[in-house]
This record gives sequence, C-alpha cells and structure tokens, in this order.
Amino acid sequence: EVQLVESGGDLVKPGGSLRLSCAASGFSFSSYTMNWVRQAPGKGLEWVSFITSSSDYIYYIDSVKGRFTISRDNAKNSLYLQMNSLRAEDTAIYYCAGDLGYNMDVWGKGTTVTVSS
Amino acid sequence: QTVVTQEPSLTVSPGGTVTLTCASSTGAVTSDYHPNWFQQKPGQAPRSLIYSTSNKHSLTPARFSGSLLGGKAALTLSGVQPDDEAEYYCLLYSGGGWVFGGGTKLTVL
Repeated sequence: EVQLVESGGDLVKPGGSLRLSCAASGFSFSSYTMNWVRQAPGKGLEWVSFITSSSDYIYYIDSVKGRFTISRDNAKNSLYLQMNSLRAEDTAIYYCAGDLGYNMDVWGKGTTVTVSS
Repeated sequence: QTVVTQEPSLTVSPGGTVTLTCASSTGAVTSDYHPNWFQQKPGQAPRSLIYSTSNKHSLTPARFSGSLLGGKAALTLSGVQPDDEAEYYCLLYSGGGWVFGGGTKLTVL
C-alpha cells in the first residue's frame, strides 16, 4: 500500500523549533520529488517547499526562507522539515506529498503544528 | 509572487455540469504550468484528481475532466453527484515552486 505518514507536530512557543518527519512506504520514494504543503485552520492549501529526488534542487515559499530546511534520506525512505524561529502564522496541518513528473498524487494525512504562547 | 485565483464558491444541481477555473496573475495558464486539481472534504487530506492539465488517475471518476479554457486551467464535472460536494484546489507550477489557488467550495443543491 502506498503510504506517507507524517509525525513530529506539536504545540510550540513562538521562536521555538520543531522537526517534522514523513515516512514513505509502498512506492519508489527515491524517484519522487517530495513536498511539504500546509493548511492553516479554516484556510486553503499552501505549498511550502520541495526537494528533488537526489536533493539537487530545493525551493521554499518566501515566508519560510531562512527559517525552514527541507531534507531527505532516501536510504530511510524519509523526508524532513526542520522549522526554526516559528511564528503564530506557521500554525497549520503540515502534509507531505510526493510528486512524480508534476503529478502530486501521494499524500499523507498530515501532522498538526501549533505555535502559541 | 504569483497569485492563483479560483472562484470562491459555486453551486450546481445534482446531475448538472459545472466548470471551475484557475487563473494566474502572471498571464495565461499553459501546459507549462502543469495544472493539478485536488478535491478536499472536511477533515481529510487532499485527493489528487487531475495532473498536467488533463491527465486522470486510475481512480478519478470519469465525470471529472481537466482542460485549458480561455487562458485558464479548468476542471469540469459532468453529471454531478451529491458526493462531489467539497473544496477543490488547483495547483500551478511557477518556476521554482508551486502555487495553490484559494480553492472553490462546490455546493451540490
């Protein structure tokens, strides 16, 4: 079964840090570009970052540049998002999503990050 | 920063046909933007329906189709069913990243 399972979401104070993980199974993880997508409470989807299959190319949305770092370990079929200097506006469900040839068809169920004092 | 615009809400009768559109602030949407369409129901993760403008997944119902229409990406639902009531998002690739539209809330009434 094709599966992505996110973990690491938590309640954190403004300025704090979190590391999200995404474990992949049932498909060729190392062939996929992997993305993080978030959804603030009651709001729409927002693409956050992607990393290509061999980590050659990495991109971020402007609002997280310099604060978030995406990485992957193909040997462990895992994707990560290191989030530093967290702000209230980073509060969201964070989904990992796999993309093969501009086809973002593999999604996890998400992990919740809440930034609040 | 590219802004992607969708209709905030649409209403359709069961059995009817509705077209949702997706426009880019940078100009006409072409196949180079690799439009994707997703359906999301409350409390669920998004589900991919269409990729690269018009390609369907094996589980995408035949009543869903994607196209380019008048400089926009479009998602057409033909023979709408009550179960199609959901939020629909388009996604465009914009050189160095993806941008989601704000979503269209589709009501089946």
